[in-house]
Amino acid sequence: DGGITQSPKYLFRKEGQNVTLSCEQNLNHDAMYWYRQDPGQGLRLIYYSQIVNDFQKGDIAEGYSVSREKKESFPLTVTSAQKNPTAFYLCASSRTGEYQPQHFGDGTRLSIL
Amino acid sequence: EDQVTQSPEALRLQEGESSSLNCSYTVSGLRGLFWYRQDPGKGPEFLFTLYSAGEEKEKERLKATLTKKESFLHITAPKPEDSATYLCAVEGSSNTGKLIFGQGTTLQVKP
Repeated sequence: DGGITQSPKYLFRKEGQNVTLSCEQNLNHDAMYWYRQDPGQGLRLIYYSQIVNDFQKGDIAEGYSVSREKKESFPLTVTSAQKNPTAFYLCASSRTGEYQPQHFGDGTRLSIL
Repeated sequence: EDQVTQSPEALRLQEGESSSLNCSYTVSGLRGLFWYRQDPGKGPEFLFTLYSAGEEKEKERLKATLTKKESFLHITAPKPEDSATYLCAVEGSSNTGKLIFGQGTTLQVKP
């Protein structure tokens, strides 16, 4: 079955440590996205990529970095510069073009040790 | 600035008690309004896309409608398995490919 796989499901970060969240899709979608979800708030866009080897900052990119070397993969690194990283992180993908819905993985919950 | 507001924040219904969830939006040039369902600890599951005022879409006990300023998600005779958080998002012409999400409405249906 086609879908989006995020790993790990739970992740713990120590102070000063960078951590990388994995996102893989086999839907043959060109576009991929990373969101952060905090309690009581809507999803906020961190980074997005419409094509391989290109990506753009979203609304809350500070303290995060991404790469898009393959169509199927869009890993997110939470750097030590992100002072409040505890959140639920969601990866999504979609076809490019008008009216295309985004489809989501089941998320990674990041906590601070 | 594009903005989405959902109400109520939380809704409790008895099984079989129909109701509606509201999604009010401000966007320059609506390209699409999307409804999602999210279960605890899971990613959002796509339900509907609405493109223009007057449009309606249905799926089982859910019906989504769209006007120029808001969308409603009508739930007819809900069952406990309809309990979830329902998210609304819009894509505007000034932010192609980017969705702006509301905070969601958490629905609890009691047997």
